[in-house]
Parts: sequence; structure tokens; C-alpha cells
Amino acid sequence: DIVMTQTPLSLSVAIGQSASISCKSSQSLKYSDGKTYLNWVFQSPGQSPKRLIYQVSKLDSGVPDRFSGTGSETDFTLKISRVEAEDLGVYYCCQGSYSPTFGAGTKLELK
Amino acid sequence: EVKLEESGGGLVQPGMSVKLSCTTSGFTFSDYWMEWVRQAPGKGLEWVAEIRNKANNYATYYGKSVKGRFTISRDDSKSIVYLQMNSIRSEDTGIYYCTRAFLRDWGQGVMVTVSS
Repeated sequence: DIVMTQTPLSLSVAIGQSASISCKSSQSLKYSDGKTYLNWVFQSPGQSPKRLIYQVSKLDSGVPDRFSGTGSETDFTLKISRVEAEDLGVYYCCQGSYSPTFGAGTKLELK
Repeated sequence: EVKLEESGGGLVQPGMSVKLSCTTSGFTFSDYWMEWVRQAPGKGLEWVAEIRNKANNYATYYGKSVKGRFTISRDDSKSIVYLQMNSIRSEDTGIYYCTRAFLRDWGQGVMVTVSS
């Protein structure tokens, strides 16, 4: 199985600051069709998860453009500019290029 | 509006079986691949199973920890996806979420507790 390693596992930020989460895969996520199936999923406390980004950098409908995803092959980053209170929770990366696997999650907390 | 609603969870004894259902609305169900993802109490997310659409021959795929014990199926006429869970173990305890189109939309989840 492909291992997804997220860092940090916990991140404290002040409202209005930016935050960055890294996700590294144990092998390249570039699929045979040329696409890279790397997703970012957010879970607010007590809520169902919600997908934010798919194929590395494409924002799902309704996701604010404060969120951005970058990366390729094995190294990926989720950046949140101007963190708002509603952004606090756990962020997971998830690869779908092979049998899907999630990272351990990064908890974004208020400083 | 896309809606996914899971049902069928509860308290199950080890070694027994349970069948989860995910009733959907708001989209053309037969066009989409559907998945189950679970979350053990206080833990992260784990992909469980996927079923593709008719155009992809209803192909099914499973996570290693459930392969051979769980079966995903779908009824396009009713817009429902199922997860049959057999030989259930304590480590299967958790919230089970139904998702559409590889995590695009999620249900509210249903709790399965495995205990004697």
C-alpha cells in the first residue's frame, strides 16, 4: 500500500495567519492517464468530512480560494491563507491513484 | 441537492453480520462510483470499499483489512449502495460514511459498534 505521510500532525495558528500542511507519498501518484489523484479532505469537530481539493489543485465547488493545493509526484502541500475560525479541524490528504490511502491527519488549532 | 443517508448500524456481536445501506437522492445515481469510508473512534479515516458504475462493469475494490469479509453492492433502480459486513471484528467499530465520486460528497455517517 502507498503510505501517505503528513506533517505536521498538529498546527497552531492565529486567525488571519496562513497555514501550510505537507503530504508525502511513498511512491509517485502520477497515474497512467497522466493525472495525479491527490485529494485534501477536511473534518470539522463532530461533522462529516468534506473534500476540499482533488487532483492536487482543483477546488471543489464552494471552497474558498483561500485554499490552494500544489505539488507533484510524491510531494504535495495544502496552503490556507488568512485562516478563519471555520477552518479549524483536521485535514487529511488522500491518494486515489492506487488502492486509496489517507494520511494520519493534521489538526489545525487556534493559537 | 445531493443527499446521502446511511442506515443499518448499531451494536453487533463479534463474528456476526450487519448490512449498511446508503440511500441517495439529488443526482443520477447510476452514473457514479460510490465508496464507503470508515473512522474508528478518535482515529483517522480509512477507505473501505468502492463500486463503480455500469459503464465500468460494476467493478468492486476493497481495503486490505476488509477484503474477503465485506461486500459492496448497489441497486441503481433504488439509488442505494450497500455494505454487507460479515465475520465482524472489534476493530471494525467506527463510523461508516458513504461517499460519492471518490469523496466528493459524504453522508452523515452511521455508527457500528462491535462488542459482546
